[in-house]
Amino acid sequence: DSGVTQTPKHLITATGQRVTLRCSPRSGDLSVYWYQQSLDQGLQFLIQYYNGEERAKGNILERFSAQQFPDLHSELNLSSLELGDSALYFCASSRTSGGPNYEQYFGPGTRLTVT
Amino acid sequence: GQNIDQPTEMTATEGAIVQINCTYQTSGFNGLFWYQQHAGEAPTFLSYNVLDGLEEKGRFSSFLSRSKGYSYLLLKELQMKDSASYLCAVRAFSGSARQLTFGSGTQLTVLP
Repeated sequence: DSGVTQTPKHLITATGQRVTLRCSPRSGDLSVYWYQQSLDQGLQFLIQYYNGEERAKGNILERFSAQQFPDLHSELNLSSLELGDSALYFCASSRTSGGPNYEQYFGPGTRLTVT
Repeated sequence: GQNIDQPTEMTATEGAIVQINCTYQTSGFNGLFWYQQHAGEAPTFLSYNVLDGLEEKGRFSSFLSRSKGYSYLLLKELQMKDSASYLCAVRAFSGSARQLTFGSGTQLTVLP
C-alpha cells in the first residue's frame, strides 16, 4: 500500500459524458501527478500540481482538466468522453517537485471504460 | 522531446539473473527511475540513479551511465513473483519543472 488513494476503482460511462476522478496523496506529499495508461500507449504523463498550483503539463487533452485543492487532494475531470479515453488513470504523489524526495508513489488507479 | 528504449519482452528462469537494459535520449537529464508493475496494478518504485554507477538494493541493482544514455536493472535470484513489467523512466527539466517520462516497459516472465 503506497498511501495514495484513488476513487472510484472502476467507472463505466457512455460517450459524451463527463466524469471526475479523485486522488488523495500520501500524508506530507505536496506534489500530485496524473497519468493515463492504455494498452497501446503505455504510461503517459498528463499533468502535475504542486501545493495547489499547476507545475507541469504533459500530453493532456483540452477536454481534460485537473485541480489540486487546499487539503492537497486532486481531481481529474474528463469531459466529452470518447471510446479512446478508456484506460487506467493513475495518480501519484511525491514529497517535493524535485530533489532527493522526488520518487513518485502511485495509487491503485481508476479503470475507466467508455462505452 | 525524449526517447526511451527498452526491450518489449524477456524470459528467464527462476533462480537466475536477468539484466533489463534501457537507453534514452534527452536534454536536461535529471535522474533515472525503475518501476515494477504487475498487470492491472500500480507501478511501484524500485530504484533511482542520478550519478553514474551502480546502486544496489537487495536482489535489485540499477546502473547508470549518463555519457552513454544507458541504464540497466539487474535482478538476482529470480522468483516467480518477479514476473511483471519493468518501466524505465527518465526525469528531465521541462521549463522550470522536472517531468518524468516512462518507457513502454519490459515484460519479464520468470519460468519455473
